Amino acid sequence: EAQVTQNPRYLITVTGKKLTVTCSQNMNHEYMSWYRQDPGLGLRQIYYSMNVEVTDKGDVPEGYKVSRKEKRNFPLILESPSPNQTSLYFCASSYRGRAFFGQGTRLTVV
Amino acid sequence: AQSVAQPEDQVNVAEGNPLTVKCTYSVSGNPYLFWYVQYPNRGLQFLLKYITGDNLVKGSYGFEAEFNKSQTSFHLKKPSALVSDSALYFCAVSPFNTDKLIFGTGTRLQVFP
Repeated sequence: EAQVTQNPRYLITVTGKKLTVTCSQNMNHEYMSWYRQDPGLGLRQIYYSMNVEVTDKGDVPEGYKVSRKEKRNFPLILESPSPNQTSLYFCASSYRGRAFFGQGTRLTVV
Repeated sequence: AQSVAQPEDQVNVAEGNPLTVKCTYSVSGNPYLFWYVQYPNRGLQFLLKYITGDNLVKGSYGFEAEFNKSQTSFHLKKPSALVSDSALYFCAVSPFNTDKLIFGTGTRLQVFP
């Protein structure tokens, strides 16, 4: 079954404490991306990767890092989270725009 | 700048009535067009896509979408709404020959019994 697995589903953390959200796909897709979803703003792309070791900034990259050491994994790293990064995050794996999304990670930074 | 507009934050419709959720886009060339749906506490799910050909595209759960090139629109439709169709719907555009997706802000569909 085609799947994008994202963990954790829920996370509450404190300002400045580094965290990583993991994302893994089983479809051998080259393109993966991270989005954040905020009310009234839709989904905004944070970072994307077109292949292993190839990553680039999306529309709202500030405060985030990513890595793509293997094709299946694309973790999102917040080195020093701040309250304005409280949001719902989605990882996606896609081919020609047809995207498969993870279940989402609801992050709260206090 | 490339963009997708969903002019309605919310659409309300009675069960059994037809529904339309509007989408217009501003992307050069011949993009791929998509609709995704998000049910509460779930990730986004693919509904349908338009690449080329017939302007009326059929998708999952009885939904269809009508592509209009001159109006750069891609409206989502369903002849008879169900209460279970209540969800958040996103229109998305992928510029030609890329994997990038540009999303609209979403339209919440509420179907009343």
